[in-house]
Amino acid sequence: GQNIDQPTEMTATEGAIVQINCTYQTSGFNGLFWYQQHAGEAPTFLSYNVLDGLEEKGRFSSFLSRSKGYSYLLLKELQMKDSASYLCAVQDSNYQLIWGAGTKLIIKP
Amino acid sequence: NAGVTQTPKFRILKIGQSMTLQCAQDMNHNYMYWYRQDPGMGLKLIYYSVGAGITDKGEVPNGYNVSRSTTEDFPLRLELAAPSQTSVYFCASSYSSSGSVGELFFGEGSRLTVL
Repeated sequence: GQNIDQPTEMTATEGAIVQINCTYQTSGFNGLFWYQQHAGEAPTFLSYNVLDGLEEKGRFSSFLSRSKGYSYLLLKELQMKDSASYLCAVQDSNYQLIWGAGTKLIIKP
Repeated sequence: NAGVTQTPKFRILKIGQSMTLQCAQDMNHNYMYWYRQDPGMGLKLIYYSVGAGITDKGEVPNGYNVSRSTTEDFPLRLELAAPSQTSVYFCASSYSSSGSVGELFFGEGSRLTVL
């Protein structure tokens, strides 16, 4: 079967750094997406990785290791507005998106 | 530029009733999707479409129907509503090229309760 694993919930402090992990087992791989979803709102796109390595975009970075079936989203200089759920999604060999259940990130002052 | 527009935002249905969730996008995207999201769960794909006139089942299609007569519109029909269909429904669209689905743009969501 196809599976995406993410921690259910994480807590971090404003101004700190947090790393949200995502491991996947899918039928093939054609890229990995990260989305942010604030409570009661729709998901919005954060990043896309298809090759191994780190992609940096402002305070957010995303890392991929295809050989390990692993990705992480790194959030720096945390702000209260970063409190949200972070969804990991993998595009399988049929270009279907497989979604993780999401990680709820709680930021404390 | 409105993006993806979904209506209604909230709806309460009685068991056995039917309804249609409307979705429209103005970005000329070829791919459109309907997802449902239950509390604490990931997004589950109900149906998707790769272009006008073409629709395909996703992971959880039972109890739903779709049509894609135009590039812009992708309505989701619920027939004989059941309590198990209580959920938040998201419509999304993307421009797909070279196979990759691309960045998904989501509507604001429709919260449906079946009593």
